[in-house]
Amino acid sequence: AQKVTQAQTEISVVEKEDVTLDCVYETRDTTYYLFWYKQPPSGELVFLIRRNSFDEQNEISGRYSWNFQKSTSSFNFTITASQVVDSAVYFCALTSFFAGNMLTFGGGTRLMVKP
Amino acid sequence: DVKVTQSSRYLVKRTGEKVFLECVQDMDHENMFWYRQDPGLGLRLIYFSYDVKMKEKGDIPEGYSVSREKKERFSLILESASTNQTSMYLCASSQPRVTEAFFGQGTRLTVV
Repeated sequence: AQKVTQAQTEISVVEKEDVTLDCVYETRDTTYYLFWYKQPPSGELVFLIRRNSFDEQNEISGRYSWNFQKSTSSFNFTITASQVVDSAVYFCALTSFFAGNMLTFGGGTRLMVKP
Repeated sequence: DVKVTQSSRYLVKRTGEKVFLECVQDMDHENMFWYRQDPGLGLRLIYFSYDVKMKEKGDIPEGYSVSREKKERFSLILESASTNQTSMYLCASSQPRVTEAFFGQGTRLTVV
């Protein structure tokens, strides 16, 4: 069975602060994939990143960065210099070949960035 | 631009009604999914389909059925709506390999 835990249900920051969203996962598969999605108020989930279990390199995309650590089964997401437009619900998700491409989602973290 | 379109953004139905939620994708994707989103629980998979007329149960299939007669369309059916099915429903599609899924805008269903 697979499981994704996002312990932070809600985070509130002031614009320009850095913020890290935590994601911890469980799987028995050795080959798996991790994802982050953003859900703005409009409702549609927007894909942000995919990582496979063999690639532990951290990734940076503009103000977004991701830290993947297999040793702690974590895939954390950091937003640098947050902006109001970053306000959304963020989901971490996991799948594997043996899961048949079905995503297991965490409970989500609601990020509120105040001006 | 890739697109997954759900037929309604908001629906209000009465207890006991048969409810159809429609989803269409224009990316020629093999896989299609129906998720239910509830606060604190994230998204939970109801059903998925990996080909026309093929379907597999997800984590919470009870009270739901699905239909996939054409590759681009995947319907979720609530046979007899109940108040505990009040939720946000999200449709998604993806390629057969492990790739990102593309989501529709969601249907917020209220059963009264």
